Amino acid sequence: DAGVIQSPRHEVTEMGQEVTLRCKPISGHDYLFWYRQTMMRGLELLIYFNNNVPIDDSGMPEDRFSAKMPNASFSTLKIQPSEPRDSAVYFCASSLLPTGEGYTFGSGTRLTVV
Amino acid sequence: AQTVTQSQPEMSVQEAETVTLSCTYDTSESDYYLFWYKQPPSRQMILVIRQEAYKQQNATENRFSVNFQKAAKSFSLKISDSQLGDAAMYFCAYRGTLFGGSQGNLIFGKGTKLSVKP
Repeated sequence: DAGVIQSPRHEVTEMGQEVTLRCKPISGHDYLFWYRQTMMRGLELLIYFNNNVPIDDSGMPEDRFSAKMPNASFSTLKIQPSEPRDSAVYFCASSLLPTGEGYTFGSGTRLTVV
Repeated sequence: AQTVTQSQPEMSVQEAETVTLSCTYDTSESDYYLFWYKQPPSRQMILVIRQEAYKQQNATENRFSVNFQKAAKSFSLKISDSQLGDAAMYFCAYRGTLFGGSQGNLIFGKGTKLSVKP
């Protein structure tokens, strides 16, 4: 299994531009999570899906952020328009629940908004 | 709401020695899971060890073991025979059960940066 695959690994964009982050979860995992990691706030859950349906999006900071999961093998996190304070590492993770296994994380996307 | 606290922002250990990283958590749930994740400079989040709250026996994975004290809500990680490759950020994390209040969210502490001296 290739694990959770995220793209791109790095993204540098100008303020005001649209940014799309992509994630392919592990096949068979029915939960998908988007986390954001910053020095100030640590790892925060943005949104998670179960069987492609958003369950909790209370962590999404603003309307500028949106996430979709059109099928079991693909999810996107979009920021439009992007701002410098959105600069962070964004992780996607997937899991089989309700087992006690931990989540499997992707390698993250480092987003820099200039 | 559940919280996870790691009180040691940084720790250092000599190669081949033992080090213990602290973690405390707060929850009103009786059943839950606890995890330690390692994040090396590559930034990949790697699961090190997990513990189910209903199990009294402390989990062990090779050189990594935990000291789980449910009543004290404490979950420390012990690394024995430390190696240079153990240098990383270590995150303690909590997850309730699907039928609990946290609905599957993995809640992280702020992390402890571990340095290993040769």
